[in-house]
Amino acid sequence: DGGITQSPKYLFRKEGQNVTLSCEQNLNHDAMYWYRQDPGQGLRLIYYSQIVNDFQKGDIAEGYSVSREKKESFPLTVTSAQKNPTAFYLCASSIGTGGPEAFFGQGTRLTVV
Amino acid sequence: DQQVKQNSPSLSVQEGRISILNCDYTNSMFDYFLWYKKYPAEGPTFLISISSIKDKNEDGRFTVFLNKSAKHLSLHIVPSQPGDSAVYFCAATDLNAGKSTFGDGTTLTVKP
Repeated sequence: DGGITQSPKYLFRKEGQNVTLSCEQNLNHDAMYWYRQDPGQGLRLIYYSQIVNDFQKGDIAEGYSVSREKKESFPLTVTSAQKNPTAFYLCASSIGTGGPEAFFGQGTRLTVV
Repeated sequence: DQQVKQNSPSLSVQEGRISILNCDYTNSMFDYFLWYKKYPAEGPTFLISISSIKDKNEDGRFTVFLNKSAKHLSLHIVPSQPGDSAVYFCAATDLNAGKSTFGDGTTLTVKP
């Protein structure tokens, strides 16, 4: 089945540690996105990539980093510089400028203790 | 400055009645609008969309209306069903920029 997979579903890390969230898609989509959702709030864009080896900062990129070495993969690293990393992280993909409808993964809930 | 606003955090309707969810935006560069449905601890799923060149798009029980002059869109669900109970997000897209901006969501509860 085609889809977008995030792993793990739940992640716990100690404060000060970097952590990488995985996102893989087999939909052959060009564009991929990372969003963060906090309780009672909408989705805020962290980073997005329209094509392999290229990505742009979203609205809240500070304390995060990404890479896009393969079309299928768009991992997100939450660094120790992120002041409030505990959140629900969502990865999405779309076919790009041809259609912005996004397909979302199931999300990763990151808890930093 | 929030560019996409859903002013009603929650909405409760009776099964069989109409649900109307509203969304306002401020950026005139937005030219494509979407509604997503989300259940707890899951990713959103795409529901329906509308281009800025249209004022209405219908898909089964779901209809989205766009009023460009008022920078307002709405999602109508009729008839509402208990399975429609979820959080609904409005998203506005600048197709040139290739990214969407989301509202904070409206929690819809449909009572049997």
